[in-house]
Amino acid sequence: SQQGEEDPQALSIQEGENATMNCSYKTSINNLQWYRQNSGRGLVHLILIRSNEREKHSGRLRVTLDTSKKSSSLLITASRAADTASYFCASVNQAGTALIFGKGTTLSVSS
Amino acid sequence: GAVVSQHPSRVICKSGTSVKIECRSLDFQATTMFWYRQFPKQSLMLMATSNEGSKATYEQGVEKDKFLINHASLTLSTLTVTSAHPEDSSFYICSADVGGVSTDTQYFGPGTRLTVL
Repeated sequence: SQQGEEDPQALSIQEGENATMNCSYKTSINNLQWYRQNSGRGLVHLILIRSNEREKHSGRLRVTLDTSKKSSSLLITASRAADTASYFCASVNQAGTALIFGKGTTLSVSS
Repeated sequence: GAVVSQHPSRVICKSGTSVKIECRSLDFQATTMFWYRQFPKQSLMLMATSNEGSKATYEQGVEKDKFLINHASLTLSTLTVTSAHPEDSSFYICSADVGGVSTDTQYFGPGTRLTVL
């Protein structure tokens, strides 16, 4: 079964606005990762946050992690049309051998 | 950065035929590679974990005789969809683990779109 559940499933915003996506997971994690997928393409790794970290920044991306609530959020600030994509959170499965992906949030940024 | 390629990027085949998809790590050695499938507007579902020189580990519900995985070298893993049927039409994505047993860093291929007529 999938580890993560993202919400919202779909998000439409205007350029310049901020986009926030949330992810909840079920089991204990060592780290949680966020990926982006443009339509019909492979995945691009965005950011990894470890279980002992609460917040991490990378450019216009800000990720938070709340292990007590088993949730994470991805904030994209000052969004651009090029940010239009699907975003997935992922964490390592219980065996520690592979990534398990959430259902994803489809972000649409219009200019 | 590490690059993973997949070939072909797109394939159309007739029902009943077999299709082989290659996944290559171009500038690094990958002890472990992973195969995922993704249906339209859905997430990636892990199919199997492929370790060089050993048998692949399949996820529950994935038929190992239908989805044959071979990881003969540290830079190449292949997925063969045998006797393909229309319901096997999907987007297949591989990824490679850069370091040891850690899955901290995985690099994904661009995917292969399989259409079975």
